[in-house]
Amino acid sequence: GAVVSQHPSWVICKSGTSVKIECRSLDFQATTMFWYRQFPKQSLMLMATSNEGSKATYEQGVEKDKFLINHASLTLSTLTVTSAHPEDSSFYICSAEITTFSYMNTEAFFGQGTRLTVV
Amino acid sequence: DAKTTQPPSMDCAEGRAANLPCNHSTISGNEYVYWYRQIHSQGPQYIIHGLKNNETNEMASLIITEDRKSSTLILPHATLRDTAVYYCIVSYNNDMRFGAGTRLTVKP
Repeated sequence: GAVVSQHPSWVICKSGTSVKIECRSLDFQATTMFWYRQFPKQSLMLMATSNEGSKATYEQGVEKDKFLINHASLTLSTLTVTSAHPEDSSFYICSAEITTFSYMNTEAFFGQGTRLTVV
Repeated sequence: DAKTTQPPSMDCAEGRAANLPCNHSTISGNEYVYWYRQIHSQGPQYIIHGLKNNETNEMASLIITEDRKSSTLILPHATLRDTAVYYCIVSYNNDMRFGAGTRLTVKP
């Protein structure tokens, strides 16, 4: 299947610093990527939809100035957690959309996730 | 704001079929039914999806009722490595809204 790669897999940062997470589609072009956050023992929560060449669309309650999303190319979207605090510690996951001709609809493939710990 | 209902947990014996139900009574005509699973501390893995016909691939089968208000994911011969949280999602544009899912435990 299609491959979506996230980097880094885990990161520890100090409170007040910023952290950038990359999401790459390795063998296809993705005009749309999605960013999720998952707290321990909870389900994934959609944070934002990232469209190549345009501003991201954020879900209600997600601070766009804190979670900066850039989707400058068809294979790369980045999420920057600015001025991170311990409550931002979470598992961040991206997905990328691919069109399959067998169904003429789109499928989404997920990255392996990035575990952020803010100390 | 998930539009699906799944049992919180299920057990299955290794080698037996695992049948995971999902209710999606408010599904719209253009929404697909997707199934993903998540093994601890990993990203969700795509399993299968369908619109109204039953679907089968190398991983699983998807049975969708004629009224499309419910579906069942079937893992024909469950193994220990199939232990995971299984998510049933309805979507038409890939912004997958995850519910709580079903935690499937395959036991020896």
